[in-house]
Amino acid sequence: EVQLVESGGGLIQPGGSLRLSCAASGFTVRDSYMSWVRQAPGKGLEWVSIIYGGSSTFYADSVKGRFTISRDNSENTVFLQMNSLRVEDTAVYHCARSTGRLYGMDVWGQGTTVTVSS
Amino acid sequence: EIVMTQSPATVSVSPGERATLSCRASQTFSSNLAWYQQKPGQAPRLLIYGTSTRATGIPARFSGSGSGTEFTLTISSLQSEDSAVYYCQQYNSWPFTFGGGTKVEIK
Repeated sequence: EVQLVESGGGLIQPGGSLRLSCAASGFTVRDSYMSWVRQAPGKGLEWVSIIYGGSSTFYADSVKGRFTISRDNSENTVFLQMNSLRVEDTAVYHCARSTGRLYGMDVWGQGTTVTVSS
Repeated sequence: EIVMTQSPATVSVSPGERATLSCRASQTFSSNLAWYQQKPGQAPRLLIYGTSTRATGIPARFSGSGSGTEFTLTISSLQSEDSAVYYCQQYNSWPFTFGGGTKVEIK
């Protein structure tokens, strides 16, 4: 079964760091375009970052320089390292798969909740 | 950054009727546009990619169209289970961006 399972969320103080994980099964992350998408409470979807190919990466302006996406092919897992967290980073973070550059995100995880608060 | 604007914010449609959702881009691009459905407490589900191609398992009542800066999602005969928020997303250029969503209510 094709599946994504996120973990690593929690309550963190402003300025802190957190590392999210997204474990994939049923397909290989190395051959996919893997994104992180977040949703603040009561708000819409916001694309955060993507990794694909030989580890090409892109970021939303709102997280550039603070967040880093990476993957471990041996563990078939994608990560999101989040540093210098802000209150406005509070959201449910989903990882999602695209099978190619021309396709939408067809597999989504249920998400992990990040709360940034003092 | 391409800004995506969806309208209306909420649409109320009777079962069996047609629902038309609009998505406008701040600049023109090719067909790299997707539509997602999200129900409360659930992850988004891909409905349409490449502007008009239905994703696997998506009923034929969902259709996408458009070009340039104007895109449309049509639900031809609304069912009760179609009550949800619908998002458009451009994946033509970085950063990828979503519209603010349209909530579809059943009358």
